[in-house]
This record gives sequence, C-alpha cells and structure tokens, in this order.
Amino acid sequence: AQSVSQHNHHVILSEAASLELGCNYSYGGTVNLFWYVQYPGQHLQLLLKYFSGDPLVKGIKGFEAEFIKSKFSFNLRKPSVQWSDTAEYFCAVRTGGFKTIFGAGTRLFVKA
Amino acid sequence: DGGITQSPKYLFRKEGQNVTLSCEQNLNHDAMYWYRQDPGQGLRLIYYSQIVNDFQKGDIAEGYSVSREKKESFPLTVTSAQKNPTAFYLCASRPGGGSYNEQFFGPGTRLTVL
Repeated sequence: AQSVSQHNHHVILSEAASLELGCNYSYGGTVNLFWYVQYPGQHLQLLLKYFSGDPLVKGIKGFEAEFIKSKFSFNLRKPSVQWSDTAEYFCAVRTGGFKTIFGAGTRLFVKA
Repeated sequence: DGGITQSPKYLFRKEGQNVTLSCEQNLNHDAMYWYRQDPGQGLRLIYYSQIVNDFQKGDIAEGYSVSREKKESFPLTVTSAQKNPTAFYLCASRPGGGSYNEQFFGPGTRLTVL
C-alpha cells in the first residue's frame, strides 16, 4: 500500500535555527508532491508543490523542498526559522487520479 | 470571497445519533473530499467525489455516508455505526481536469460525541 512517512512528530527549534523536515513515500511511479502547513487556528494551506522539472522547489515564506527520486524523498527546508513558523506541517503525495495520501504531520515549535 | 465553508465549527452529539457536517465551496471545483484528522495520524480520506452525483469510498469510509447532489455541496453524515466518531473533520476541494493543482481546505468541524 502507498504510504507517506514523516520522520519527526515533534520538533523544537530556537529562532534563526535551520529546519529540515523529512518525508519519504512508498510508490515507484510518477508522483505529485506537496507540503501543507496548518498554523494554530487556521486552515490547512499549501506551502509548496512539485509536479515536474527542477527538483528543488521554492514555496511561500522562505521554505523550499527537494525531490530526490532515488530516495523517494521530499524533505522540507528553511535556512532560518521564525517564531511565526510554529505550526504543523504535512507532507502529501498524489500518485495519480484524485487521491492524495498525507503523512502523520510534524509539529514544529519555534522558541522566541 | 471564494473559498470553502464548513459548519458548524464545533458540534456535540450524543452517542447513537447520526450527525451531518456541512461543506460548501464557491470555487467552481469539480472534486471534493472529506478527511478525518486525528492527533499523530495526519489526514485520512473518508470519501471523495470527482463530479456531481458520483463519489467513492476512501480509506476509512465505514460508518460514514455522503451525497453530491450539487457541485458546490458535499455533506458528510457520521452515522451511529462509526465506532470512534470524535475527531476533527476537514473538507477540501480541487479543480478537475488534470493533476496539476492542489487541494484547498475548509476550516474544519470538530465533532465530539458524548
């Protein structure tokens, strides 16, 4: 069965620290990849997405992610986090059709 | 303002009662989805609909039912057969006609069964 694995359930960082959240998926075919973010009390919203082309994609608020096909990974990065980045982050994979599979989520807390 | 609305924001029901969660979108999207979000489990797909009058079961459809009589509406009924209904329910929509687009989410409904 297809699945998405997020390596860390909880991450605590100080402001200005670098962030990398891991995401791996299990599917050997063509994939569309997403990172969504859920800020406290807000809607789930898209952070960035990959469909094809350059495997390094840039999203909103300084986030980026790199698709490494050989590793089935789509890790999220940010060079310097801010207190306002405190949120829950979800990696998601669409393998075709209308279904999207989500990871369990990573809760990030940034200390001011 | 275009978007997805879910009502109510909080819902309390007694065990054994059916309850219907509302989801409306004015984005003219073809596809609509219902997810359940539980702590540490991410989002799990309950039902999805690609077009009006058509819907498919997701990964955890047991104890739930849906209808899609109008493009803009996709209500979810949580029946008494759902063994653990207390959860946060998210509705989403997506344009049809191709895979180069993402889902848009509503604010969610938190259901508590007492």
